[in-house]
Amino acid sequence: QKEVEQDPGPLSVPEGAIVSLNCTYSNSAFQYFMWYRQYSRKGPELLMYTYSSGNKEDGRFTAQVDKSSKYISLFIRDSQPSDSATYLCAMSADNQGGKLIFGQGTELSVKP
Amino acid sequence: EAGVAQSPRYKIIEKRQSVAFWCNPISGHATLYWYQQILGQGPKLLIQFQNNGVVDDSQLPKDRFSAERLKGVDSTLKIQPAKLEDSAVYLCASSSLPGHSYFGPGTRLTVT
Repeated sequence: QKEVEQDPGPLSVPEGAIVSLNCTYSNSAFQYFMWYRQYSRKGPELLMYTYSSGNKEDGRFTAQVDKSSKYISLFIRDSQPSDSATYLCAMSADNQGGKLIFGQGTELSVKP
Repeated sequence: EAGVAQSPRYKIIEKRQSVAFWCNPISGHATLYWYQQILGQGPKLLIQFQNNGVVDDSQLPKDRFSAERLKGVDSTLKIQPAKLEDSAVYLCASSSLPGHSYFGPGTRLTVT
């Protein structure tokens, strides 16, 4: 069993839809939870960062961490074609939040 | 603020040849990581440096991979000899805050 599980998709939604992306994990020592966006042939770009549990909102993006269920989510409101990318969840048990363990990534396509 | 720089962006070599990748992290970032991303997968950590010292190289195939970070700034990752399964994108990341790793554009390696 992988430490971090993520549905690879692909996920296709119409412009303006609410997108929900999820990851589950098995290592209860994870304390840092991140979401990265990766466009084709580019490096991952840090979108959201959460330490421990709770919710975090930044513009159209909301990240949720439920440590009791070992489940994290990223919601994208009013999705745009420019949101089309692969979304990677990443987690760390390291006290400096490094040594990231990534999910497989979910490929998202937002259709105009 | 300039991002993480990597070169070359693309490299094609034959199996059993050697190759080297270069990374220049964000100025002032003490922590530097090399990740390997195979097509369709999330990045996998190879090695972590703190300044010019190795913190974790437990997932680095040391029979063929080596890395160094001289003077605590730039880093090079070398593969010798390369195998077909080394075909991947090699990503460099740097960090100065917990949970905030910033990635470069990566070097896409094809081994034929």
